[in-house]
Amino acid sequence: QKEVEQDPGPLSVPEGAIVSLNCTYSNSAFQYFMWYRQYSRKGPELLMYTYSSGNKEDGRFTAQVDKSSKYISLFIRDSQPSDSATYLCAIGVDDMRFGAGTRLTVKP
Amino acid sequence: DAGITQSPRHKVTETGTPVTLRCHQTENHRYMYWYRQDPGHGLRLIHYSYGVKDTDKGEVSDGYSVSRSKTEDFLLTLESATSSQTSVYFCAIRGGQGNEQFFGPGTRLTVL
Repeated sequence: QKEVEQDPGPLSVPEGAIVSLNCTYSNSAFQYFMWYRQYSRKGPELLMYTYSSGNKEDGRFTAQVDKSSKYISLFIRDSQPSDSATYLCAIGVDDMRFGAGTRLTVKP
Repeated sequence: DAGITQSPRHKVTETGTPVTLRCHQTENHRYMYWYRQDPGHGLRLIHYSYGVKDTDKGEVSDGYSVSRSKTEDFLLTLESATSSQTSVYFCAIRGGQGNEQFFGPGTRLTVL
């Protein structure tokens, strides 16, 4: 079993939809949780960073951490075609573990 | 842009040859990381550095070595490249207000 599990998709939604992306993890010791966005042939770009449990909002993006369930989520409101990318969850600090990524397409 | 450059950006080499990839940062960050990215595996940590001459192994370190003789440069060496090391290699630094990592543009390596 991988330490971080993420549904690879692909996920296709119409413009304006609410998108929900999720990961589960196995090691309860992790405290730092991140979401990255990666466009094709580019490096990952940090979207959201959360410490411990709770919600964090930044514009159209909301990151949610439920440590009791070992479940992290990223919600995208009013999705745009420019949101089409692969989204990676990551947990940890130096020995960071990544999910395999979910490919999202937002259709105009 | 976290001031990270990687070189070369693309490389094709043959099995058994040595290869060195360079990561350069301009903002004096202490922590630097090397990852590889492969389909179905996401990003996996190879090695990281927490200061000049201070390095540690990651999840997939076999077949790789690193060196950091200056704060701004972190080198990844494949002593004898194998086809299984064909991948996209990313360098990252730890920066920001917490423990966030920021990534470079990547090096696409093909070992024939």
